[in-house]
Amino acid sequence: DQQVKQNSPSLSVQEGRISILNCDYTNSMFDYFLWYKKYPAEGPTFLISISSIKDKNEDGRFTVFLNKSAKHLSLHIVPSQPGDSAVYFCAARISNFGNEKLTFGTGTRLTIIP
Amino acid sequence: GAVVSQHPSRVICKSGTSVKIECRSLDFQATTMFWYRQFPKQSLMLMATSNEGSKATYEQGVEKDKFLINHASLTLSTLTVTSAHPEDSSFYICSAEPNRGREGAFFGQGTRLTVV
Repeated sequence: DQQVKQNSPSLSVQEGRISILNCDYTNSMFDYFLWYKKYPAEGPTFLISISSIKDKNEDGRFTVFLNKSAKHLSLHIVPSQPGDSAVYFCAARISNFGNEKLTFGTGTRLTIIP
Repeated sequence: GAVVSQHPSRVICKSGTSVKIECRSLDFQATTMFWYRQFPKQSLMLMATSNEGSKATYEQGVEKDKFLINHASLTLSTLTVTSAHPEDSSFYICSAEPNRGREGAFFGQGTRLTVV
């Protein structure tokens, strides 16, 4: 049962344009969402996060939007740069004091075309 | 940001042998660490939660006798793949979270295990 889904396994975007990566979830108990970037043979690195009490969080070129009613979040990267080419994972968790494990989506491979 | 170091980054072993992977939090203490496995073109699948000073919590379907986890100190967790088979070949990644901050977990560099 895949509770966090990224339906687009890959995405190609022209350099300078906007990249939009989508993520859907099924568990309404999730209250914190994160986006990670991963290069081959490396561990994921944190990009941006959002709490369920917000609907938008912005950090430089990265903005995450959360639509709780639709159980959908998206990551916008603008302008896209060649160094943004990587696999992007969204992750979700239920905040409780104890085992705050992350549930990951299947990933989207983003390729920025120079 | 916080640093999590994983070693080795790559290991090749023969079928039937055991392999130990170490995960260290270098600049913070971690009472909990997580071990993930990633198959090609697939998501990170949580295998188990490593708890300092107590038994690990395994996810459904993960054999605890095959994937031994030890969390002997606040900065070190180890995953031992016992009696390795070729189907155990995968990318293993650990993570730890220094505090309940906005950045969630910090990940190690990962270990590529190949069983021949």
